[in-house]
Amino acid sequence: GNSVTQMEGPVTLSEEAFLTINCTYTATGYPSLFWYVQYPGEGLQLLLKATKADDKGSNKGFEATYRKETTSFHLEKGSVQVSDSAVYFCALRIGGWGAQKLVFGQGTRLTINP
Amino acid sequence: GAVVSQHPSWVICKSGTSVKIECRSLDFQATTMFWYRQFPKQSLMLMATSNEGSKATYEQGVEKDKFLINHASLTLSTLTVTSAHPEDSSFYICSARVGWDTEAFFGQGTRLTVV
Repeated sequence: GNSVTQMEGPVTLSEEAFLTINCTYTATGYPSLFWYVQYPGEGLQLLLKATKADDKGSNKGFEATYRKETTSFHLEKGSVQVSDSAVYFCALRIGGWGAQKLVFGQGTRLTINP
Repeated sequence: GAVVSQHPSWVICKSGTSVKIECRSLDFQATTMFWYRQFPKQSLMLMATSNEGSKATYEQGVEKDKFLINHASLTLSTLTVTSAHPEDSSFYICSARVGWDTEAFFGQGTRLTVV
């Protein structure tokens, strides 16, 4: 079946530390991959995406590369800020045109201390 | 980006009663809306997909008679949990998209507690 596995949280880092949140997936076909972020009290927001193998998604200093050979889409940021504290969800999108669905990982809570 | 608003943000209800959750797209018309359920420390599980003016498509294992979904207009979908029980307590999230292959925007979620 289709599933997404994220590293378990919570993750606590100091400001300016390097961040990696691991994400691996299993899927039939060729999914698109996403990272969503949820700030306290808000809905999920799309952070970045990649639609095919070797694509790199990037936004707000975050990056993730679609690795088909390792079925991974790890999220990285070189220097985190307190404002990056949030819950991060890795997801894949499957299905044909008009019938697409998102499958989410369990989320990783990130706390950045000043 | 586009805004999706859910109401209420949290609700407590007595066992056996029904509760309605609204999901509105505030600045766009949503052809498709999705309802998810999230248990603590678990991923969002898709419950159903609804297209405006047609019946919702439920995921396997989701009771359609218990979780009633109505998508009466291009800006509003509702989820009604009927005869709620404590095991229905959860975090419910909706999302909406404009077209068939566009980004989905998420509401802030509704925490339901059944006592």
